[in-house]
Amino acid sequence: GEKVEQHESTLSVREGDSAVINCTYTDTASSYFPWYKQEAGKSLHFVIDIRSNVDRKQSQRLTVLLDKKAKRFSLHITATQPEDSAIYFCAASTPGSFNKLTFGAGTRLAVCP
Amino acid sequence: ETAVFQTPNYHVTQVGNEVSFNCKQTLGHDTMYWYKQDSKKLLKIMFSYNNKQLIVNETVPRRFSPQSSDKAHLNLRIKSVEPEDSAVYLCASSFDWGGFAETLYFGSGTRLTVL
Repeated sequence: GEKVEQHESTLSVREGDSAVINCTYTDTASSYFPWYKQEAGKSLHFVIDIRSNVDRKQSQRLTVLLDKKAKRFSLHITATQPEDSAIYFCAASTPGSFNKLTFGAGTRLAVCP
Repeated sequence: ETAVFQTPNYHVTQVGNEVSFNCKQTLGHDTMYWYKQDSKKLLKIMFSYNNKQLIVNETVPRRFSPQSSDKAHLNLRIKSVEPEDSAVYLCASSFDWGGFAETLYFGSGTRLTVL
Protein backbone atom coordinates (compact mmCIF):
# COMPACT_ATOMS: atom_id res chain seq x y z
CA GLY A 1 0.00 0.00 0.00
CA GLU A 2 0.89 3.65 -0.15
CA LYS A 3 3.58 4.96 2.18
CA VAL A 4 4.15 8.63 2.82
CA GLU A 5 7.39 9.74 4.38
CA GLN A 6 7.83 13.13 5.95
CA HIS A 7 11.50 14.01 6.01
CA GLU A 8 11.71 16.57 8.76
CA SER A 9 10.37 15.49 12.13
CA THR A 10 11.13 18.91 13.62
CA LEU A 11 11.90 22.27 12.07
CA SER A 12 12.77 25.48 13.81
CA VAL A 13 12.81 28.84 12.02
CA ARG A 14 13.05 32.46 13.02
CA GLU A 15 9.94 34.58 12.68
CA GLY A 16 9.82 36.09 9.20
CA ASP A 17 11.95 33.38 7.62
CA SER A 18 10.65 30.70 5.26
CA ALA A 19 9.98 27.08 6.18
CA VAL A 20 9.94 24.08 3.86
CA ILE A 21 8.54 20.66 4.70
CA ASN A 22 9.20 17.78 2.34
CA CYS A 23 7.27 14.57 1.74
CA THR A 24 7.72 11.60 -0.56
CA TYR A 25 5.23 8.95 -1.53
CA THR A 26 5.50 5.48 -3.04
CA ASP A 27 2.36 4.88 -5.09
CA THR A 28 2.67 6.34 -8.58
CA ALA A 29 -1.13 6.32 -8.84
CA SER A 30 -1.48 8.86 -6.03
CA SER A 31 -3.15 11.99 -7.30
CA TYR A 32 -4.28 14.04 -4.31
CA PHE A 33 -1.92 15.57 -1.76
CA PRO A 34 -3.38 17.61 1.10
CA TRP A 35 -1.66 19.22 4.07
CA TYR A 36 -3.16 19.45 7.53
CA LYS A 37 -2.11 21.46 10.55
CA GLN A 38 -2.47 20.44 14.19
CA GLU A 39 -1.88 23.09 16.82
CA ALA A 40 -1.03 22.08 20.35
CA GLY A 41 -3.95 20.35 22.03
CA LYS A 42 -6.20 20.78 19.02
CA SER A 43 -7.46 18.70 16.16
CA LEU A 44 -6.36 18.74 12.55
CA HIS A 45 -7.50 21.28 10.08
CA PHE A 46 -6.92 21.54 6.38
CA VAL A 47 -4.41 24.11 5.10
CA ILE A 48 -3.83 23.49 1.39
CA ASP A 49 -3.87 20.71 -1.18
CA ILE A 50 -2.61 19.94 -4.67
CA ARG A 51 -3.85 17.52 -7.30
CA SER A 52 -1.66 15.76 -9.79
CA ASN A 53 -2.85 17.78 -12.78
CA VAL A 54 -0.77 20.76 -11.58
CA ASP A 55 2.71 21.08 -10.15
CA ARG A 56 2.28 24.24 -8.08
CA LYS A 57 -0.44 25.80 -6.00
CA GLN A 58 -0.30 28.93 -3.88
CA SER A 59 -2.60 30.28 -1.22
CA GLN A 60 -1.38 33.48 0.45
CA ARG A 61 1.85 32.58 2.30
CA LEU A 62 1.57 28.86 1.50
CA THR A 63 2.82 27.16 -1.66
CA VAL A 64 2.73 23.47 -2.46
CA LEU A 65 5.04 22.01 -5.09
CA LEU A 66 4.55 18.59 -6.64
CA ASP A 67 7.23 16.64 -8.52
CA LYS A 68 5.51 13.54 -9.87
CA LYS A 69 8.68 12.08 -11.38
CA ALA A 70 10.43 12.15 -8.02
CA LYS A 71 7.21 11.32 -6.16
CA ARG A 72 7.86 14.26 -3.91
CA PHE A 73 5.79 17.20 -2.70
CA SER A 74 6.60 20.05 -0.39
CA LEU A 75 4.96 22.79 1.63
CA HIS A 76 6.59 26.22 1.60
CA ILE A 77 5.58 28.80 4.18
CA THR A 78 6.91 32.32 3.66
CA ALA A 79 7.12 35.14 6.22
CA THR A 80 6.51 32.73 9.08
CA GLN A 81 4.61 33.92 12.14
CA PRO A 82 4.43 32.45 15.67
CA GLU A 83 0.90 31.21 14.93
CA ASP A 84 2.35 28.97 12.20
CA SER A 85 3.88 26.87 14.98
CA ALA A 86 2.15 23.49 14.84
CA ILE A 87 2.54 19.94 13.57
CA TYR A 88 2.08 19.74 9.83
CA PHE A 89 0.95 16.49 8.23
CA CYS A 90 1.23 15.68 4.56
CA ALA A 91 -0.98 13.00 3.04
CA ALA A 92 -1.70 11.25 -0.22
CA SER A 93 -4.56 9.32 -1.78
CA THR A 94 -5.21 7.46 -5.01
CA PRO A 95 -8.24 7.77 -7.30
CA GLY A 96 -11.07 5.48 -6.39
CA SER A 97 -9.80 4.97 -2.87
CA PHE A 98 -12.83 6.74 -1.43
CA ASN A 99 -10.72 9.51 0.00
CA LYS A 100 -8.57 7.12 2.00
CA LEU A 101 -5.65 9.30 3.04
CA THR A 102 -2.26 7.94 4.01
CA PHE A 103 -0.58 10.43 6.33
CA GLY A 104 3.06 11.21 6.94
CA ALA A 105 4.37 11.14 10.49
CA GLY A 106 4.16 14.91 10.92
CA THR A 107 6.66 17.77 11.14
CA ARG A 108 6.71 19.87 14.28
CA LEU A 109 7.37 23.45 13.17
CA ALA A 110 8.50 25.98 15.75
CA VAL A 111 8.59 29.63 14.75
CA CYS A 112 10.75 31.53 17.20
CA PRO A 113 10.37 35.29 17.73
CA GLU B 1 -16.10 26.95 13.86
CA THR B 2 -16.68 23.34 14.91
CA ALA B 3 -19.02 21.35 12.73
CA VAL B 4 -17.86 17.83 13.58
CA PHE B 5 -18.79 17.06 17.16
CA GLN B 6 -17.29 14.23 19.16
CA THR B 7 -18.24 12.96 22.59
CA PRO B 8 -16.76 12.34 25.04
CA ASN B 9 -13.57 14.42 24.95
CA TYR B 10 -11.79 12.03 27.31
CA HIS B 11 -12.44 8.53 28.56
CA VAL B 12 -10.47 6.49 31.06
CA THR B 13 -11.32 2.85 31.46
CA GLN B 14 -9.95 -0.50 32.50
CA VAL B 15 -8.74 -3.32 30.27
CA GLY B 16 -11.60 -5.50 29.14
CA ASN B 17 -14.33 -2.87 29.37
CA GLU B 18 -16.54 -1.75 26.48
CA VAL B 19 -16.53 1.86 25.32
CA SER B 20 -18.50 3.85 22.76
CA PHE B 21 -17.65 7.11 21.10
CA ASN B 22 -20.07 9.34 19.25
CA CYS B 23 -19.62 11.62 16.27
CA LYS B 24 -22.03 13.95 14.53
CA GLN B 25 -21.43 16.31 11.64
CA THR B 26 -23.62 19.24 10.65
CA LEU B 27 -21.96 19.97 7.31
CA GLY B 28 -24.30 17.87 5.18
CA HIS B 29 -21.41 15.63 4.15
CA ASP B 30 -21.90 12.17 2.68
CA THR B 31 -18.86 10.43 4.07
CA MET B 32 -17.55 10.03 7.61
CA TYR B 33 -14.34 8.51 8.93
CA TRP B 34 -12.63 7.27 12.04
CA TYR B 35 -8.90 7.84 12.36
CA LYS B 36 -6.66 6.72 15.20
CA GLN B 37 -3.79 8.99 16.33
CA ASP B 38 -1.30 7.26 18.58
CA SER B 39 1.05 8.74 21.17
CA LYS B 40 3.63 9.48 18.45
CA LYS B 41 1.00 11.46 16.54
CA LEU B 42 0.82 8.83 13.77
CA LEU B 43 -2.54 8.91 12.00
CA LYS B 44 -4.16 5.82 10.56
CA ILE B 45 -7.56 5.42 8.99
CA MET B 46 -9.77 2.81 10.60
CA PHE B 47 -13.13 3.03 8.84
CA SER B 48 -15.12 5.19 6.50
CA TYR B 49 -18.83 5.26 5.78
CA ASN B 50 -20.62 6.73 2.80
CA ASN B 51 -24.34 7.30 3.27
CA LYS B 52 -24.50 4.75 6.11
CA GLN B 53 -22.57 2.14 4.14
CA LEU B 54 -19.15 0.90 5.19
CA ILE B 55 -16.72 1.58 2.33
CA VAL B 56 -13.29 1.40 3.94
CA ASN B 57 -12.39 -1.05 6.67
CA GLU B 58 -8.69 -1.16 7.37
CA THR B 59 -6.95 -3.93 9.23
CA VAL B 60 -8.45 -3.20 12.61
CA PRO B 61 -9.01 -5.72 15.43
CA ARG B 62 -12.50 -7.19 15.44
CA ARG B 63 -13.23 -5.64 18.82
CA PHE B 64 -13.69 -2.34 16.96
CA SER B 65 -17.07 -1.83 15.30
CA PRO B 66 -18.39 1.32 13.67
CA GLN B 67 -22.10 2.10 13.66
CA SER B 68 -23.94 4.59 11.48
CA SER B 69 -27.61 5.46 11.93
CA ASP B 70 -27.65 8.11 9.21
CA LYS B 71 -25.12 9.99 7.14
CA ALA B 72 -24.65 12.62 9.86
CA HIS B 73 -23.71 10.18 12.61
CA LEU B 74 -20.89 7.68 12.96
CA ASN B 75 -20.16 5.99 16.27
CA LEU B 76 -17.33 3.70 17.28
CA ARG B 77 -17.67 0.87 19.74
CA ILE B 78 -14.72 -1.01 21.23
CA LYS B 79 -15.55 -4.27 22.94
CA SER B 80 -13.05 -5.37 25.55
CA VAL B 81 -10.44 -2.61 25.28
CA GLU B 82 -6.72 -3.38 25.34
CA PRO B 83 -3.84 -1.14 26.53
CA GLU B 84 -2.75 -0.56 22.91
CA ASP B 85 -6.13 1.03 22.23
CA SER B 86 -5.01 4.08 24.21
CA ALA B 87 -4.97 6.85 21.61
CA VAL B 88 -6.91 9.80 20.29
CA TYR B 89 -9.77 8.79 18.03
CA LEU B 90 -10.56 11.40 15.43
CA CYS B 91 -13.81 11.55 13.53
CA ALA B 92 -13.89 13.35 10.20
CA SER B 93 -16.29 14.00 7.36
CA SER B 94 -16.16 15.08 3.73
CA PHE B 95 -18.27 15.47 0.65
CA ASP B 96 -18.27 12.61 -1.78
CA TRP B 97 -17.94 13.36 -5.46
CA GLY B 98 -17.97 9.87 -6.90
CA GLY B 99 -14.93 8.69 -4.97
CA PHE B 100 -12.77 11.74 -5.68
CA ALA B 101 -10.69 13.11 -2.86
CA GLU B 102 -12.14 15.98 -0.89
CA THR B 103 -11.13 17.97 2.17
CA LEU B 104 -11.59 16.25 5.50
CA TYR B 105 -13.11 18.16 8.41
CA PHE B 106 -12.01 16.74 11.73
CA GLY B 107 -13.64 16.71 15.12
CA SER B 108 -11.72 17.60 18.26
CA GLY B 109 -11.07 13.95 19.09
CA THR B 110 -11.74 11.54 21.93
CA ARG B 111 -8.71 10.66 24.03
CA LEU B 112 -8.97 7.10 25.33
CA THR B 113 -6.76 5.91 28.17
CA VAL B 114 -6.83 2.22 29.01
CA LEU B 115 -5.43 1.36 32.43
